[in-house]
Amino acid sequence: EVQLLESGGGLVQPGGSLRLSCAASGFTFSSYGMSWVRQSPGKGLEWVSAITGSAISTNYADSVKGRFTISRDNSKNTVSLQMNSLRAEDTAVYYCAKEDSYEGANWFDSWGQGTPVTVSS
Amino acid sequence: DVQLTQSPSSVSASVGDRVTITCRASQDISRWLAWYQQKPGKAPKLLIYAASSFQSGVPSRFSGSGSGTDFTLTITSLQPEDFATYHCQQANSFPITFGRGTRLEIK
Repeated sequence: EVQLLESGGGLVQPGGSLRLSCAASGFTFSSYGMSWVRQSPGKGLEWVSAITGSAISTNYADSVKGRFTISRDNSKNTVSLQMNSLRAEDTAVYYCAKEDSYEGANWFDSWGQGTPVTVSS
Repeated sequence: DVQLTQSPSSVSASVGDRVTITCRASQDISRWLAWYQQKPGKAPKLLIYAASSFQSGVPSRFSGSGSGTDFTLTITSLQPEDFATYHCQQANSFPITFGRGTRLEIK
């Protein structure tokens, strides 16, 4: 059974930093891309960042480009999101999601339970 | 970026009803669209991928169709556990984008 467990969320002041982690189990971690998706209170889903299984390629939403960095450690089956220069609009529940892909298309077949991030003074 | 417009934003229906939710893409995304179900306080759950392929374990009352720019999710014979929010997601290109969601409520 696929399990994704996020950690690292919390309250941070504007301009601060936070590092989210996601521990994965139940599948061959290095064979799958991983993404972070967030959801602001009462709002829709927003894809944040993705990393390929080999970590060769990463992608970011324009809203976080230059501030967030995604990485993974395939020896520890973990994916991380380093978030710097945080803003109030980054307040959301952050989900770690396992990608499934075909012909370059990516969707998310497993999700973690989410970790909340609040950016406020 | 591919914009996804979901409609309606909310719908009320009764157990046993048939409901159709639409998702329109701002450009041709072939068949690269997924649908998710999300219940309050829970993570989304993948229902349909590649427009019409069922994720394992999803009941057959859920179906997806469409290609290009117009897609639909249909739920036949609504069950109590189907009342939730439904999201579409384009899987064609980065940045990956989602629709704003459709809230399915009990009438």
